Amino acid sequence: EDKVVQSPLSLVVHEGDTVTLNCSYEVTNFRSLLWYKQEKKAPTFLFMLTSSGIEKKSGRLSSILDKKELFSILNITATQTGDSAVYLCAVEPARGTYKYIFGTGTRLKVLA
Amino acid sequence: GAVVSQHPSWVICKSGTSVKIECRSLDFQATTMFWYRQFPKQSLMLMATSNEGSKATYEQGVEKDKFLINHASLTLSTLTVTSAHPEDSSFYICSALLWTPNTEAFFGQGTRLTVV
Repeated sequence: EDKVVQSPLSLVVHEGDTVTLNCSYEVTNFRSLLWYKQEKKAPTFLFMLTSSGIEKKSGRLSSILDKKELFSILNITATQTGDSAVYLCAVEPARGTYKYIFGTGTRLKVLA
Repeated sequence: GAVVSQHPSWVICKSGTSVKIECRSLDFQATTMFWYRQFPKQSLMLMATSNEGSKATYEQGVEKDKFLINHASLTLSTLTVTSAHPEDSSFYICSALLWTPNTEAFFGQGTRLTVV
């Protein structure tokens, strides 16, 4: 059965800390892995990863994929209170379907 | 980025009634849209794939007669929860695929349904 597992489930840090969120997956035909940020409503897109070892970066956020070990990490440096959200990892389990399987998310809270 | 609008944002209805939720792609055409359901503190679970001009494809365990999906135009998909019951109370989110330049899914803001 295809599955996506995220860890930790929940995390509380102070502003300025660096956090690493993990996403591991087991799927039949991997195409892509996506990271989303969900604050109160709709998830907003962060990154799409398709190739191993290539870091994607956007400001203080970065992500990398390891297709051999079947996981991805999302790093957030110099965290701010505005980073508080649920971070969702999703995997497309079969090429061309776009039927993403989501993990349960990591709830991040950044304290001032 | 592309915008997907969902309506309503929240709705309360009585048991036994039907509720329609709309998902619109505002600035692009979406031949494919997806409907997800999210229970509190749980992840998004794909319910069905909505294809313009054809029948929706439902995931295993999702009752197609209960969750009617219509994708009548390139910018609108609707989800109707028929004969709603309290256990249908949930957060429903749609996403629409933008095929070019890089295929990406854009999410609506979600609809919180409460059945009383």
